[in-house]
Amino acid sequence: NAGVTQTPKFRILKIGQSMTLQCAQDMNHNYMYWYRQDPGMGLKLIYYSVGAGITDKGEVPNGYNVSRSTTEDFPLRLELAAPSQTSVYFCASSYSGQTSTDTQYFGPGTRLTVL
Amino acid sequence: AQKVTQAQTEISVVEKEDVTLDCVYETRDTTYYLFWYKQPPSGELVFLIRRNSFDEQNEISGRYSWNFQKSTSSFNFTITASQVVDSAVYFCALSETDSWGKLQFGAGTQVVVTP
Repeated sequence: NAGVTQTPKFRILKIGQSMTLQCAQDMNHNYMYWYRQDPGMGLKLIYYSVGAGITDKGEVPNGYNVSRSTTEDFPLRLELAAPSQTSVYFCASSYSGQTSTDTQYFGPGTRLTVL
Repeated sequence: AQKVTQAQTEISVVEKEDVTLDCVYETRDTTYYLFWYKQPPSGELVFLIRRNSFDEQNEISGRYSWNFQKSTSSFNFTITASQVVDSAVYFCALSETDSWGKLQFGAGTQVVVTP
């Protein structure tokens, strides 16, 4: 299993540009999450999904959109990139969302710079 | 409001010294879960341990040990006889009941181990 994969690894955007960060998992996990990590800070939840077709906002959703058309994929869309969105983005997945027994597996991250 | 506080920004030690990382959390739930993750320089997040709120038994796993105290809302982590490979950012995280597995992270503590 490849686990959680993210593409691209690095990206530089100009202000106002749009892009989609890709995330895929091959573990048949139902729950998927997007976090951002700003320099010197912990991860903050952007959006999450409990299954195909179901998504919900996290702590910092403004400026982002998500969709979940399949169990495997959970892309994150930035419509109008702003310098405040410069960050490292992590995708994660878990089977059930039951933190009593389930572990979130993280992808390698996408480092995004908006200039 | 910050729910997970890691007051130590950076800790520097010499190899073979012990290092203890502090984590203080805040929640009104009676059932919750606490985690430690490691982020080495390569950037990925590695799950280390999960503790539920009903299990205050401290644990030792190799050179790692954890001290969970509900009375002080603390979940501290100790590396015994540190090694250079322990150099990383360590994150404490909280997951509350019915949170769909969402994790709330502290800001992280950078551990630097020098030979």
